[in-house]
Amino acid sequence: GAVVSQHPSWVICKSGTSVKIECRSLDFQATTMFWYRQFPKQSLMLMATSNEGSKATYEQGVEKDKFLINHASLTLSTLTVTSAHPEDSSFYICSALGRGEKLFFGSGTQLSVL
Amino acid sequence: DAKTTQPPSMDCAEGRAANLPCNHSTISGNEYVYWYRQIHSQGPQYIIHGLKNNETNEMASLIITEDRKSSTLILPHATLRDTAVYYCIVRAGGGADGLTFGKGTHLIIQP
Repeated sequence: GAVVSQHPSWVICKSGTSVKIECRSLDFQATTMFWYRQFPKQSLMLMATSNEGSKATYEQGVEKDKFLINHASLTLSTLTVTSAHPEDSSFYICSALGRGEKLFFGSGTQLSVL
Repeated sequence: DAKTTQPPSMDCAEGRAANLPCNHSTISGNEYVYWYRQIHSQGPQYIIHGLKNNETNEMASLIITEDRKSSTLILPHATLRDTAVYYCIVRAGGGADGLTFGKGTHLIIQP
């Protein structure tokens, strides 16, 4: 099956620093990738849709200047949390649209901001 | 808002069939029913999807009612590793939209 690799699995950073999360589709090309955020005991919330070669589309309430998304190739999308604060601590998950209209998900990144 | 309704939690004995219901009474003609599951602290895993016919794969079976207003995911022989949150999601076919997750059903397999 299709594999989506997400890195890092977890990261701890100081408040005010920036953190980059990578999402790669390993065995298929993904023109569209999605970024989700999940707080403890809650469901996944779509943050943004990332299309290769164009600007990301952000969901209402998600700050585009804070969550920078780059989808520079058909196999890689990155999410950068800029000037992270403790309230940004969350589980971030990427997904890629593969064949058969299925979405395949990465394993997630647990971000803890101190 | 999620367009599906699922019970918040269910228990099932190990080795028995787990039947997870989902209501999607406002589903449109071009919307598929998808099932994903999420084991704690991992990304969601695709299980199965269908439009109107029943579907079966190596993981599960999906039974969709004739009016398409509800469906049931069946795990034929549940194991402890099937303990997870199961999400039933409707999504238009042919589109490039992301999935909208509801609260899902927390399935607990009891030894």
